[in-house]
Amino acid sequence: QVQLVESGGGVVQPGRSLRLSCAASGFTFSNFGMHWVRQAPGKGLEWVAIISYDGGNIYYGDFVKGRFTISRDNSKNTLYLQVNSLRAEDTAVYYCAKDHAHSSPSLDSWGQGTLVTVSS
Amino acid sequence: SYVLTQPPSVSVAPGQTARITCGGNNIGIKSVHWYQQKPGQAPVLVVYDDTDRPSGIPERFSGSNSGNTATLTISRVEAGDEADYYCQLWDSSSDQGVFGGGTKLTVL
Repeated sequence: QVQLVESGGGVVQPGRSLRLSCAASGFTFSNFGMHWVRQAPGKGLEWVAIISYDGGNIYYGDFVKGRFTISRDNSKNTLYLQVNSLRAEDTAVYYCAKDHAHSSPSLDSWGQGTLVTVSS
Repeated sequence: SYVLTQPPSVSVAPGQTARITCGGNNIGIKSVHWYQQKPGQAPVLVVYDDTDRPSGIPERFSGSNSGNTATLTISRVEAGDEADYYCQLWDSSSDQGVFGGGTKLTVL
């Protein structure tokens, strides 16, 4: 079955960077688009980014404003999110999710998330 | 960018029907997806493309979408349905995903 395992979260000072990873298994990773979604403590879901199956198409949420970069390595079945210039408001659980590949992007399998805490 | 509006909370007695709405400008022409999230867990897709259910999701979960409102309907509500529910769509005008603010379903 589909398994997505995020890693790379932790406590980081404001202004610093992190690279989040998502290891995928149980499906043909190179055939599917992938998403990142985040959730601040006690808050709702916020869509972050999507990358197409081959990395050729990438889109971001408005709030990203050039600070985050989504990428993938299909040879390693791994999705990444580089997060730069971190702010307190970036504190959240970051989930990776597999695209459902139907008429419009939806997220049919999710990892358990990795917590990023931005604090001095 | 596109805005989706959900009621913060809905309450229903066991065995009754819960309806959770998701409002948006002309949302009826878009494909809407719904997720269930229980405390401490990742979200689960329960309805996609307005009305379809992924395998393993009970028939009690159904969706509709028309005009300016999409609706997730949960029939014969059980205690285990208590969760936060989110609607989501792809905004093709801005090329980004959008989530509603979420609705907490309480089973009385």
